[in-house]
Amino acid sequence: EPEVTQTPSHQVTQMGQEVILRCVPISNHLYFYWYRQILGQKVEFLVSFYNNEISEKSEIFDDQFSVERPDGSNFTLKIRSTKLEDSAMYFCASRESGSTGELFFGEGSRLTVL
Amino acid sequence: EDQVTQSPEALRLQEGESSSLNCSYTVSGLRGLFWYRQDPGKGPEFLFTLYSAGEEKEKERLKATLTKKESFLHITAPKPEDSATYLCAVRPLKAAGNKLTFGGGTRVLVKP
Repeated sequence: EPEVTQTPSHQVTQMGQEVILRCVPISNHLYFYWYRQILGQKVEFLVSFYNNEISEKSEIFDDQFSVERPDGSNFTLKIRSTKLEDSAMYFCASRESGSTGELFFGEGSRLTVL
Repeated sequence: EDQVTQSPEALRLQEGESSSLNCSYTVSGLRGLFWYRQDPGKGPEFLFTLYSAGEEKEKERLKATLTKKESFLHITAPKPEDSATYLCAVRPLKAAGNKLTFGGGTRVLVKP
């Protein structure tokens, strides 16, 4: 069964360092997303991406965040200068064209900022 | 602002003891309501989409229903493998990028 894959599964970084989280969405999907979940809190929307551009972003997704689809398979989230409060599980998700909203999530990348 | 509230926060059941989870929502026009299952340390796994009041969906021991203000996830004769956190999310009509707003989830523990 096709799945969304994410790397790394866990990353520990120092405050102020840059981090790149990687995702390989399901191959025939055209819509891509990043969500995050701080421990014990709700899953929160960060950004949606379609046709090589951001289609919607939340207030959380400020200038320190960026997304990119550098090739035909990868989708990345970059955090330029990490803060302690960026510690969370980051989920990539994808959706096929024509569906009305079923997102398929990856297993997540746990980011720990020290 | 779109809001999703789930209750109870946690539910302990004996195997075979049926129960219901509630998801109350406030949204400016509903495009869809989604139920997901999340196991510890994993990503949400899609279960159901409901689009309009009165709609019902079933999958094995799970049945989801929808009214204009809330949705219920009924678990019939649960087994220990049904233990998970169940998440409800809404997609408003105005969401250009398919943004989903999630509730806090209900942690279900089914004891044998």
